[in-house]
Amino acid sequence: GNSVTQMEGPVTLSEEAFLTINCTYTATGYPSLFWYVQYPGEGLQLLLKATKADDKGSNKGFEATYRKETTSFHLEKGSVQVSDSAVYFCAPLMNAGNMLTFGGGTRLMVKP
Amino acid sequence: DTEVTQTPKHLVMGMTNKKSLKCEQHMGHRAMYWYKQKAKKPPELMFVYSYEKLSINESVPSRFSPECPNSSLLNLHLHALQPEDSALYLCASSQDRGGWSGYTFGSGTRLTVV
Repeated sequence: GNSVTQMEGPVTLSEEAFLTINCTYTATGYPSLFWYVQYPGEGLQLLLKATKADDKGSNKGFEATYRKETTSFHLEKGSVQVSDSAVYFCAPLMNAGNMLTFGGGTRLMVKP
Repeated sequence: DTEVTQTPKHLVMGMTNKKSLKCEQHMGHRAMYWYKQKAKKPPELMFVYSYEKLSINESVPSRFSPECPNSSLLNLHLHALQPEDSALYLCASSQDRGGWSGYTFGSGTRLTVV
């Protein structure tokens, strides 16, 4: 069946550190891939997306590349800020049923 | 307008109460969704409306009753809830049921059942 696996958190980093949050998925076909971010006390916001293999989504300094060969969509940022502290969800949009499937979420804590 | 607006932001209700959650969007999106999110968990899909018709019901108990009066509004009627139904309820919308451009989420209603 379809599933998505994210690295477990919390991930604690110092300001300006490099961030990687791993995401892998299993799916029939080739889903569109999304990262959503949830700041404390808020709903989810679309952070970035990629719709086909080798596409790179980017926004606010975050990047993720659609890797078909490894079925992965790892989130990266070169220099995190305290304001990036949030929960990040990887979410493939599976072809079957066209529903977002959320990973378990990864909490990022950035310390000054 | 690029937002999904949910009201109320917070709700406390007793197990015998009847209440409703409301969701509104004016982006012309034709698919709308209800999700339930427990603390430190990802959102779980409850219902999907496409062109104002219920297209997916993820085996949600009947004490939750969705309603889509028009293309801009989505309600969730609550009756005889249990304490374990306490959660953040999120509404989302997308241009169509394909959702290829992504979903827009509201800020949610934090529900506490006492």
